[in-house]
Amino acid sequence: AQSVTQLGSHVSVSEGALVLLRCNYSSSVPPYLFWYVQYPNQGLQLLLKYTSAATLVKGINGFEAEFKKSETSFHLTKPSAHMSDAAEYFCAVSPNNNDMRFGAGTRLTVKP
Amino acid sequence: SQTIHQWPATLVQPVGSPLSLECTVEGTSNPNLYWYRQAAGRGLQLLFYSVGIGQISSEVPQNLSASRPQDRQFILSSKKLLLSDSGFYLCAWSQWGALDEQYFGPGTRLTVT
Repeated sequence: AQSVTQLGSHVSVSEGALVLLRCNYSSSVPPYLFWYVQYPNQGLQLLLKYTSAATLVKGINGFEAEFKKSETSFHLTKPSAHMSDAAEYFCAVSPNNNDMRFGAGTRLTVKP
Repeated sequence: SQTIHQWPATLVQPVGSPLSLECTVEGTSNPNLYWYRQAAGRGLQLLFYSVGIGQISSEVPQNLSASRPQDRQFILSSKKLLLSDSGFYLCAWSQWGALDEQYFGPGTRLTVT
């Protein structure tokens, strides 16, 4: 069965600092991996996705993630945090549409 | 372009009352449709998904049900709500047959009192 584990339910960074949100996956088949962002009382918005092409994936809002098969990881990074990045972030794994599994989420706080 | 609608946006219902949440998708045909629940401080729990009209798969046993009366309409229902049904309900769609992302609606905040 496929699953993802997000390390750290809360991450706090200062404005301008590096953002690193961790995600490790478990999958018996080559996975598709996703990062979503959720602002308060809104739906989820796709940040980026890995679909077995380039291992370094660039997404919207300056975020990127690197697929590392040897580490079964797909960590999300952004070089410089903005106040507007404060939100909840979800990692997800999917071998197909009908079986997308989400992590528990990481709440990112950005301090001025 | 495709859009997904959910209503109502917020709902407060007493325990034991019925529930009906609606989700519709525009701009695509034959989508896969999903209902998720997000409880406070928790991740997303897949409740139901549908690959076609009248085809519903349930992920967890509960007092909720789903129906798909039309290609782009997905309804979440309950005959009698429980306190534990409170949460944020999200509808999503994806392209049928494509290994691709899911697109989420704005959600419905349900509070059972």
